[in-house]
Amino acid sequence: DAEITQSPRHKITETGRQVTLACHQTWNHNNMFWYRQDLGHGLRLIHYSYGVQDTNKGEVSDGYSVSRSNTEDLPLTLESAASSQTSVYFCAISSGRDPDTQYFGPGTRLTVL
Amino acid sequence: GQNIDQPTEMTATEGAIVQINCTYQTSGFNGLFWYQQHAGEAPTFLSYNVLDGLEEKGRFSSFLSRSKGYSYLLLKELQMKDSASYLCACMDSNYQLIWGAGTKLIIKP
Repeated sequence: DAEITQSPRHKITETGRQVTLACHQTWNHNNMFWYRQDLGHGLRLIHYSYGVQDTNKGEVSDGYSVSRSNTEDLPLTLESAASSQTSVYFCAISSGRDPDTQYFGPGTRLTVL
Repeated sequence: GQNIDQPTEMTATEGAIVQINCTYQTSGFNGLFWYQQHAGEAPTFLSYNVLDGLEEKGRFSSFLSRSKGYSYLLLKELQMKDSASYLCACMDSNYQLIWGAGTKLIIKP
C-alpha cells in the first residue's frame, strides 16, 4: 500500500542545533507540504513543493528550509533550533488534481530545550 | 486578511446530533474541507464542498453557503469514537489551504 512516513516520530534537541525531519511518500504525488501545529493555532504552512527542484515559502518559513531532489522526499531542516520551534510537525501530500485534497503523515513531535 | 472561525470546544451526548459551524474570509475560494483529528494523531480528510448545498456521507454531512462565507459539519448518531477535533480549511485563490484552529468535540455517554 502507498504510504506517507515521517521520521523521527519524536525528537528532543537543544537550542542552536541543526535538526532535519524526514518525510517520505510512495504515492508518487508531486505536491508536498510541511505544517506545524500548535495549541490555539490552526495548521500553519512552513514550506511546500510542487515537484522536483521546486520549493516555496509558506506563512511561517523563517528558520526552516527544504529541498526536493526527488518525488518521494521533502526533508525539513531547522538551521538553528529555537525553543519557539517546539511543535508538532506534519507533512502532507496532494495529487494536484481537483479537488486536490491533502493527506497527512503521522507527524513528528519536536521539543527544543 | 484571511480568517477562518470555528468554536473552540463543543460538548454533545452519545446518540445525539451536533453541528459544528465554520465561517471564513479568504482571498478567493476554491473549496472548503473538513478534517477529523483524534488526539495525538494526524488530520484525516472527511469532506469537501465547492458548490452551495449539502454533501452527505453516512453519519456525516457538510453544508456550504458561499454567499454567506459559511459551512457546517453535521454529525448524526454520535458515537464515543467521534470525540476528536474537527478542522475547517478553505482553499484560497492560490490553492493554499487556510486552516481554522479546530473545534474540540467532547462526547458524553
